[in-house]
Amino acid sequence: EAQVTQNPRYLITVTGKKLTVTCSQNMNHEYMSWYRQDPGLGLRQIYYSMNVEVTDKGDVPEGYKVSRKEKRNFPLILESPSPNQTSLYFCASSLGDYYNEQFFGPGTRLTVL
Amino acid sequence: QQQVKQSPQSLIVQKGGIPIINCAYENTAFDYFPWYQQFPGKGPALLIAIRPDVSEKKEGRFTISFNKSAKQFSLHIMDSQPGDSATYFCAALTQGGSEKLVFGKGTKLTVNP
Repeated sequence: EAQVTQNPRYLITVTGKKLTVTCSQNMNHEYMSWYRQDPGLGLRQIYYSMNVEVTDKGDVPEGYKVSRKEKRNFPLILESPSPNQTSLYFCASSLGDYYNEQFFGPGTRLTVL
Repeated sequence: QQQVKQSPQSLIVQKGGIPIINCAYENTAFDYFPWYQQFPGKGPALLIAIRPDVSEKKEGRFTISFNKSAKQFSLHIMDSQPGDSATYFCAALTQGGSEKLVFGKGTKLTVNP
C-alpha cells in the first residue's frame, strides 16, 4: 500500500530533551515536506526537501532540523524542544513535478511540557 | 503575512445543504489552487484542484468556482452529507514546484443529519 508513515504518533516530552520524529514514504517520491498544524493557524510548512541531500526552510523553521540522506526518509529533529513546539505535525511527499498531489502522513501529536 | 485567506472558520449546515467555503489571495503568481479535506485524526488529502485558466471545475458533488479578476476561489459541496463533516483547506501554489504550497487556515464543516 502506497503511504507515508510517521513515528511516533503521539509523544509527550519535556523541555530541552532532544527528539526525532521519523517520516518514511514508499512511493519513490522526490519531494518531502514537514508541516505543523495549530488551531486557527492552519498548516504551516517547516522544512522541505526536493531530493536526497537537498533541503530548504519553509515558513516556520526555527527550532527544527531535518536531513534527507535517503530518498524514502525525512526525519524531523527538535534539538531542544520548547512548549511552543507543542503541535500536530504532518509529513508529506509528492512526485515533485509541478501540480503534483501531496500525500500526507497520519500526523504526530507532540506535547512539550 | 497570510497569503491565502480562508473563510469562514467554521460552518454548520443541514444534510442536503450547500456549504460554500471562500478563499482569497493577493499573489498573482499563484497558478494552481487545490483543496484538501481532513477528517479527524487523519492527514489532509487532496479533494479537488483548479488552474486559473478555467472558471469552474466539478468532481462529483464538489465544485470549485474561480474568479481570476477578483483573486478569489470557492468550494461548493452539493447535497452535503454527514460524511462530508471535516476540515477543508484551500491552498495555492506558485511556479517553482510543489514544495511551496501555501495553505489557508482551514474551515471546519459540520453537516447535521
